[in-house]
Amino acid sequence: QKEVEQDPGPLSVPEGAIVSLNCTYSNSAFQYFMWYRQYSRKGPELLMYTYSSGNKEDGRFTAQVDKSSKYISLFIRDSQPSDSATYLCAMGGIIGGSEKLVFGKGTKLTVNP
Amino acid sequence: GAVVSQHPSWVICKSGTSVKIECRSLDFQATTMFWYRQFPKQSLMLMATSNEGSKATYEQGVEKDKFLINHASLTLSTLTVTSAHPEDSSFYICSARTPRTGAYEQYFGPGTRLTVT
Repeated sequence: QKEVEQDPGPLSVPEGAIVSLNCTYSNSAFQYFMWYRQYSRKGPELLMYTYSSGNKEDGRFTAQVDKSSKYISLFIRDSQPSDSATYLCAMGGIIGGSEKLVFGKGTKLTVNP
Repeated sequence: GAVVSQHPSWVICKSGTSVKIECRSLDFQATTMFWYRQFPKQSLMLMATSNEGSKATYEQGVEKDKFLINHASLTLSTLTVTSAHPEDSSFYICSARTPRTGAYEQYFGPGTRLTVT
């Protein structure tokens, strides 16, 4: 089982839809959870950073973490065409004695006008 | 704040030559920088962690003699791909951690696309 699992999609939604992106993980050592947005041929941009179970909201974005189920989600409300990108989840923790950040494969999202 | 730049943004080189990629933190001092490689439709894979003034720590399976990393100052880290081969063609991305932010909050550069012919 891979450390971080993320459905690569692609996911296509109409403008204004609510988007739900998800990742699961297997290693309990992960204590920090992030979502990055990556446009084509660009570096990832940090969207959300959380370290506890529960919800964190920032504008149209809500990050949800359920440590007991090892499951994290990112919700995008009122999605816009400019949200079209690849969304990467990332997990951080002490693994093998050093701090590691492990990324999912990314989910490609297209928001259609 | 927390802007990271990379140069060049793309490079094409011939097999057997070496290529140097620069990563700079523009508005903060980065004691730690990271180098990742990303193949098409794949995740970012950490290659090495670069600490200012000390040797880089390489991930398992990454050849340290092939991918030379130098972190000579608090704002600059370089990755040199030596004797490049077509299989080294990839998207190389650096990131940096700021002293003020969370342990795993990394800010990424725009990436360098390397094509080896």
